Amino acid sequence: DSGVTQTPKHLITATGQRVTLRCSPRSGDLSVYWYQQSLDQGLQFLIQYYNGEERAKGNILERFSAQQFPDLHSELNLSSLELGDSALYFCASSVMGLAGAGGELFFGEGSRLTVL
Amino acid sequence: GQQLNQSPQSMFIQEGEDVSMNCTSSSIFNTWLWYKQEPGEGPVLLIALYKAGELTSNGRLTAQFGITRKDSFLNISASIPSDVGIYFCAGPTTSGTYKYIFGTGTRLKVLA
Repeated sequence: DSGVTQTPKHLITATGQRVTLRCSPRSGDLSVYWYQQSLDQGLQFLIQYYNGEERAKGNILERFSAQQFPDLHSELNLSSLELGDSALYFCASSVMGLAGAGGELFFGEGSRLTVL
Repeated sequence: GQQLNQSPQSMFIQEGEDVSMNCTSSSIFNTWLWYKQEPGEGPVLLIALYKAGELTSNGRLTAQFGITRKDSFLNISASIPSDVGIYFCAGPTTSGTYKYIFGTGTRLKVLA
């Protein structure tokens, strides 16, 4: 158990809908990262938050947004869903959030989104 | 930007064999992380390396932080069927926006 909690584990929805994925980082970790992993693909970095502030953006679509709350949990909002958005979405957390600071990254078990 | 090249892409080995995989970059990393991911699950951190030349073991797994800081190696000794999965290397960027870079993964299959 990595200590990173993600909900829901599975989600099935229709095209055009909106969903929210939730992540609670490990106790003491200030940084939250979101990744998308499509079938048999690598991990695509979406966005990072550090202590409530957005720190880095990757290949995140405009239809997607995220935020980190004062209690450090984070939510990833996916809207106007398309078939191609079907994927595993992982949240990860680390203590660090500054360039070059190093640190271990711990992943949650993921949320599997299926768009029909 | 910084990239990680991981090889081999896939391996099919017999149970009991040793396995080696590596990760290389054209730029320096200060931390190397090795993960294992099983189908439908999240990556699990296996080993973290923080110092050039460092050699760290976790059971049958041994990883090394290359002297040049541009590469890292993961060895698995006496493989067993449950070693099956995808192994990723990763490291945090050392300049610019802070994020983690991931290798493309080595897919390992163990034949009993």
